[in-house]
Amino acid sequence: DAKTTQPPSMDCAEGRAANLPCNHSTISGNEYVYWYRQIHSQGPQYIIHGLKNNETNEMASLIITEDRKSSTLILPHATLRDTAVYYCIVALPYSNYQLIWGAGTKLIIKP
Amino acid sequence: KAGVTQTPRYLIKTRGQQVTLSCSPISGHRSVSWYQQTPGQGLQFLFEYFSETQRNKGNFPGRFSGRQFSNSRSEMNVSTLELGDSALYLCASSPQGGAEQFFGPGTRLTVL
Repeated sequence: DAKTTQPPSMDCAEGRAANLPCNHSTISGNEYVYWYRQIHSQGPQYIIHGLKNNETNEMASLIITEDRKSSTLILPHATLRDTAVYYCIVALPYSNYQLIWGAGTKLIIKP
Repeated sequence: KAGVTQTPRYLIKTRGQQVTLSCSPISGHRSVSWYQQTPGQGLQFLFEYFSETQRNKGNFPGRFSGRQFSNSRSEMNVSTLELGDSALYLCASSPQGGAEQFFGPGTRLTVL
């Protein structure tokens, strides 16, 4: 079973920040939080990952709470092309050959 | 670098037949993983290959098999197809294996 809990769906207005939450209360000390997204009928796309510090790249920011039991993926200026299913996964970075996927959050960006 | 490629992109088979799907990883990547995605079960791990050896296997029947060649290209085979095998089959590659994986576009298999 997936070790994460995400809301099934969310809406966000185009141009606004999209904040996607994820609960991972059973995360172990050396597991990282990974985010992927899957645009309709395409393969999943890696977005970002982190251990305990906040992370930012050209696609998104990842905020992990101090107790590491939850995190938030932030898309700072959402566009229609960000409409996708977003998956939050906890995993060991170099020994997890098997990613365990939950149902993810269906994010719909509205014009 | 070219991304992960999968062939064919679409395939229609009938029950009882067998099928072979192909995956070419990103150049230099030695790990290839396969996943099955269905509306009911979501994304499920099939198996992972590294340097021509299967390192990990998911909970699928023996009808599902795979292999990896010396150039890291991988194939998966499904024998005696069932209606429930209709799915999007995804291949992902990574340099050494691990959680940061690069996915191909998938092969859409329909079993009639």
